[in-house]
Amino acid sequence: SQQGEEDPQALSIQEGENATMNCSYKTSINNLQWYRQNSGRGLVHLILIRSNEREKHSGRLRVTLDTSKKSSSLLITASRAADTASYFCATNGGGSEKLVFGKGTKLTVNP
Amino acid sequence: DADVTQTPRNRITKTGKRIMLECSQTKGHDRMYWYRQDPGLGLRLIYYSFDVKDINKGEISDGYSVSRQAQAKFSLSLESAIPNQTALYFCATSDSGAPAGYGYTFGSGTRLTVV
Repeated sequence: SQQGEEDPQALSIQEGENATMNCSYKTSINNLQWYRQNSGRGLVHLILIRSNEREKHSGRLRVTLDTSKKSSSLLITASRAADTASYFCATNGGGSEKLVFGKGTKLTVNP
Repeated sequence: DADVTQTPRNRITKTGKRIMLECSQTKGHDRMYWYRQDPGLGLRLIYYSFDVKDINKGEISDGYSVSRQAQAKFSLSLESAIPNQTALYFCATSDSGAPAGYGYTFGSGTRLTVV
């Protein structure tokens, strides 16, 4: 069963706005990763945050992790139409080295 | 050339037929995975292999089998395809020796339709 659950399932914003997506998970983790998927294409790794980290930045991406709440958020600042995609969180942990993916948030950025 | 190549890209097959999906990689990664994606269900792990002699079942392995022919090749077979195996299938790779911060590399997917 899925470890991560993203929220919201779908998000529609205007270009230039910030987009925030959340992920909750159930068991202890070694790390949490975010991926992007353009329609019908393969997933692309965006960023990884380890369980002992609280925040990480990469370009316009900011990821936070709260292990006490078993949750993470992905913030995309100054969104662009090209950011339109589905975003998935994936967790690695609980004694397993496999990644378990959530169901994704579908982001639409309107020009 | 893509780092992870899946063939075919699209396939329509009939119920009961045996079909093989192939994955090859040039990343030099030791670990390979097969996932299926269904609308609203995200990605679910079918099988994974941490090296050539290692094969493990994922959460939804029934009706599937795999073969790790070489470090670079990992194929997925549907022994007798059924309509509810219609899905988008992804192969992915990872490197057990990679520094923290590196995730999986995915292929472009195979869209399989069983009629």
